[in-house]
Amino acid sequence: EVQLQESGPGLVKPSQSLSLTCSVTGYSITSNYWGWIRKFPGNKMEWMGYISYSGSTSYNPSLKSRISITRDTSKNQFFLQLNSVTTEDTATYYCARLENSGVMDAWGQGASVTVSS
Amino acid sequence: DIVLTQSPALAVSLGQRATISCKTNQNVDYYGNSYMHWYQQKPGQQPKLLIYLASNLASGIPARFSGRGSGTDFTLTIDPVEADDTATYYCQQSRNLLTFGSGTKLEIK
Repeated sequence: EVQLQESGPGLVKPSQSLSLTCSVTGYSITSNYWGWIRKFPGNKMEWMGYISYSGSTSYNPSLKSRISITRDTSKNQFFLQLNSVTTEDTATYYCARLENSGVMDAWGQGASVTVSS
Repeated sequence: DIVLTQSPALAVSLGQRATISCKTNQNVDYYGNSYMHWYQQKPGQQPKLLIYLASNLASGIPARFSGRGSGTDFTLTIDPVEADDTATYYCQQSRNLLTFGSGTKLEIK
């Protein structure tokens, strides 16, 4: 059974970078697509981007200038970096496995990140 | 962007039917598939996939849950509702990038 687990700092200062790791067990990240999604206070959900089995990426256009998703296949992990954060980036961040159809069929438990000085 | 519109809340009596709607501003059908999916999220938990490609039941999901629709109009039905179905339900499209609806909070009376 695939399992995903997010990790990273829970507090980030404005203008700095937010970095999160998603560790995957039970399934290889060299198959499927692997994405980041965030849920804001107030319940709005936003897809941020994904990295494919081959290492190609796709990003939400609203974040394209600030986001980077990379991976380490030897550790079966993928990563999120979001630059120049503001308080508006305060959210719970989830990593998920995506099928070809774009459905997210497995999710991590989520990592709460607060942007505050 | 494809925008998905959901009603904010719904209250249904225990044992009755709950119908949650999701309307899109663009067609999400493509080559015979409707790229619409449904998730359940309970407080403090991650989203759980219920329905994929509009009408396919995800693994392990009880048959009380069903989805239908095409084009721009989709529904998730829970029949009969149980107390444990209290949650927020999100639709999500994958026809053009990926976007979510704003969620429908289901209350069981």
